Amino acid sequence: QKEVEQDPGPLSVPEGAIVSLNCTYSNSAFQYFMWYRQYSRKGPELLMYTYSSGNKEDGRFTAQVDKSSKYISLFIRDSQPSDSATYLCAAEGTGRRALTFGSGTRLQVQP
Amino acid sequence: DTGVSQDPRHKITKRGQNVTFRCDPISEHNRLYWYRQTLGQGPEFLTYFQNEAQLEKSRLLSDRFSAERPKGSFSTLEIQRTEQGDSAMYLCAWVEASTDTQYFGPGTRLTVL
Repeated sequence: QKEVEQDPGPLSVPEGAIVSLNCTYSNSAFQYFMWYRQYSRKGPELLMYTYSSGNKEDGRFTAQVDKSSKYISLFIRDSQPSDSATYLCAAEGTGRRALTFGSGTRLQVQP
Repeated sequence: DTGVSQDPRHKITKRGQNVTFRCDPISEHNRLYWYRQTLGQGPEFLTYFQNEAQLEKSRLLSDRFSAERPKGSFSTLEIQRTEQGDSAMYLCAWVEASTDTQYFGPGTRLTVL
């Protein structure tokens, strides 16, 4: 079993929809959680990072972490065709060394 | 601006050949990471450097792989006797000091024929 699990999708939504992307993790030592966006043949781009449980909002993006259920979420409001990409969740322990990634969810926003 | 440049962006090689990739931070970054990403998967940690010291290596980094960071600036990743299973995107990442978060370069796509 992978330490970070993510539904690969693809997830297809109409423009303007609210998108919910989710991950689960198994390692209780994870304290830091990140979401990256990756366009085809590009490097991952950091979108959001959070420490421990709670919510964090940045524009149309909201990241949510529930450590009690080991559940990580990213919500995208008013989705745009330019949001079409693969979204990767990642986690890191208190040692702040290597990131552990999920396999990514491919999102398609239809105009 | 990804904070690092990677060269080459794409490398095609024949099985058994040696390849070397380079990662150049745009400014000084103490910590520098290498990850490998295969198709349909997330990046997997290979190794990281604190300045010039290689502090951790993943079990994925077989003895055919070697990484260096002379003088704590640019870093190289060499793969000897490449195999078709080495075909992947090789990503370099740097750490933003104030948030301790990792930012990725554009990657080098390796295709082994």
